Amino acid sequence: ETGVTQTPRHLVMGMTNKKSLKCEQHLGHNAMYWYKQSAKKPLELMFVYNFKEQTENNSVPSRFSPECPNSSHLFLHLHTLQPEDSALYLCASSQDRDQPQHFGDGTRLSIL
Amino acid sequence: GENVEQHPSTLSVQEGDSAVIKCTYSDSASNYFPWYKQELGKRPQLIIDIRSNVGEKKDQRIAVTLNKTAKHFSLHITETQPEDSAVYFCAAATGTASKLTFGTGTRLQVTL
Repeated sequence: ETGVTQTPRHLVMGMTNKKSLKCEQHLGHNAMYWYKQSAKKPLELMFVYNFKEQTENNSVPSRFSPECPNSSHLFLHLHTLQPEDSALYLCASSQDRDQPQHFGDGTRLSIL
Repeated sequence: GENVEQHPSTLSVQEGDSAVIKCTYSDSASNYFPWYKQELGKRPQLIIDIRSNVGEKKDQRIAVTLNKTAKHFSLHITETQPEDSAVYFCAAATGTASKLTFGTGTRLQVTL
């Protein structure tokens, strides 16, 4: 199943760098999500977008900046990250906000 | 906010035996409860979900039960196979299915 594609799969960056994570879904879904998955912690919902509009920001630090130009694409812009931001970042999509979510493979982010 | 607790954190069963994973939630208004399976290095995959108007749902060897009074729900896997080995996550959402709160995961190992 390759309905939700994330790039890059791995990313190493310094604390002063600026990078972006990309998510694309080919399922015709209207809602998209960013999650953070850290070791020994539950998946944490970061942002929810519905029809390109942000509907949820789960108290995420401003060094993470999401962008949703259309219902098929979702970006997560990163700047001035901290070592504790190292994690697997997962994107998901759903037909609408009340339907099951389908995940991508994630981007493994390491902050040096 | 919602809090989801998941037990056990690890579970080892012999092939052919049954496995049961339990989750409790704190928000009595929660109405959507999915279960995800995540194999090592892969994306979380939805395996079954249940809504609050149903007490039990079954799909082949997998079943989920919901007890709204006690605020807990369980995943049951019968006739386990080695390919069932993975980390299983429960989650709960209130209102729409978009704002999921996840449990900490259960690592299931099925031994021959």
